[in-house]
Amino acid sequence: GQNIDQPTEMTATEGAIVQINCTYQTSGFNGLFWYQQHAGEAPTFLSYNVLDGLEEKGRFSSFLSRSKGYSYLLLKELQMKDSASYLCAVLDSNYQLIWGAGTKLIIKP
Amino acid sequence: GAVVSQHPSRVICKSGTSVKIECRSLDFQATTMFWYRQFPKQSLMLMATSNEGSKATYEQGVEKDKFLINHASLTLSTLTVTSAHPEDSSFYICSALTGLESQPQHFGDGTRLSIL
Repeated sequence: GQNIDQPTEMTATEGAIVQINCTYQTSGFNGLFWYQQHAGEAPTFLSYNVLDGLEEKGRFSSFLSRSKGYSYLLLKELQMKDSASYLCAVLDSNYQLIWGAGTKLIIKP
Repeated sequence: GAVVSQHPSRVICKSGTSVKIECRSLDFQATTMFWYRQFPKQSLMLMATSNEGSKATYEQGVEKDKFLINHASLTLSTLTVTSAHPEDSSFYICSALTGLESQPQHFGDGTRLSIL
């Protein structure tokens, strides 16, 4: 079966750095996505990785290792508004998004 | 600005009522739209794939007679929750397929459905 694993919840301090990991086992791979979702809102797109390596976009970076079935989202200079759930999703061989359960990130002052 | 519009954003109604949710792609044609359901503290669950001009494809365990989907045009898909009950209370989100691998779906803002 298809499976995406990410931690349920993480806590970090304002101004610090946090890394959210995601491991996946899917039927085929056509890219991995990270979305941010605030409570009661729809997900918003953060990043897309299809090749191995690190993609940096401002305070957020995303890393992919296809051979390991592994990705992480790195958030720097954390702000209170970064408190949200972060969803990892993989585009499988049928170009369907397979979603992880999400990681709730709690930022403390 | 929003490229997918979902309406209404919130519905509160009595048990037994049927509720229609609209999903519109605003500046592109979407031959394929998706309907998701999300319970509190859980991830998105795909309910069905809506294809313009044809019947929707429902995921296992989703009752097609309960959740009616119509995709009559390239910019509009509707989800009707028929004879809604309290257990149908949830957050419903639509998305439209863009055809772009770099950002495959644009999401609507979601509909919070509360059945009393």
